[in-house]
Amino acid sequence: DVVMTQTPVSLSVSLGGQVSISCRSSQSLVHNNGNTYLSWYLQKPGQSPQLLIYKVSNRFSGISDRFSGSGSGTDFTLKISRVEPDDLGVYYCGQGTQYPYTFGAGTKLELK
Amino acid sequence: EVQLVESGGGLVKPGSSLKLSCVASGFTFSSYGMHWIRQAPKKGLEWIALIYYDSSNKYYADSVKGRFTISRDNSKNTLYLEMNSLRSEDTAMYYCAKGVPYFDYWGQGVMVTVSS
Repeated sequence: DVVMTQTPVSLSVSLGGQVSISCRSSQSLVHNNGNTYLSWYLQKPGQSPQLLIYKVSNRFSGISDRFSGSGSGTDFTLKISRVEPDDLGVYYCGQGTQYPYTFGAGTKLELK
Repeated sequence: EVQLVESGGGLVKPGSSLKLSCVASGFTFSSYGMHWIRQAPKKGLEWIALIYYDSSNKYYADSVKGRFTISRDNSKNTLYLEMNSLRSEDTAMYYCAKGVPYFDYWGQGVMVTVSS
């Protein structure tokens, strides 16, 4: 199985600040078709997860451009700029390149 | 508006069975692969099963293979998860989610508690 390793486990940020979350996979996430199926999700307190980013860097419908994804192969990053209160929660990276699909353990974003 | 509404959860004893349902609306259900994903209390996300849009392929996590069965009824816009031989470690919030190979919409989840 592809192991997804997220760092840090938790992050404290001031409103308006910028943060980065790293996600590393144990194997390349480049699919046979050339696509890289790495996505990012945010689970706000008491809610279901929601899709933020798919295929490394594509923002899902309605997602602010304050969220950006980058990376390739086995190393990926989610950046959040101008952090707002509604951004707080747990961020997960996930891979859909290989079965079984797997997630990172999550990064909790909290207010400083 | 895409909606996914799970039901069928509850408190059951180890070794028993339970069947979850997820009713979909707001999109052409029969055109999309669907998943079940679970989250144990205070833990992270665990993908457990996928069914293709036409039921032609099904995939499972090793942790549930042979015990859980994913199915769908496209005429009823409904996804199912039949869970047998339930164990305490199956205690979790179960979410259905749309899309392959990423999950673009999630239901609100249904709680399954396995305890004697």
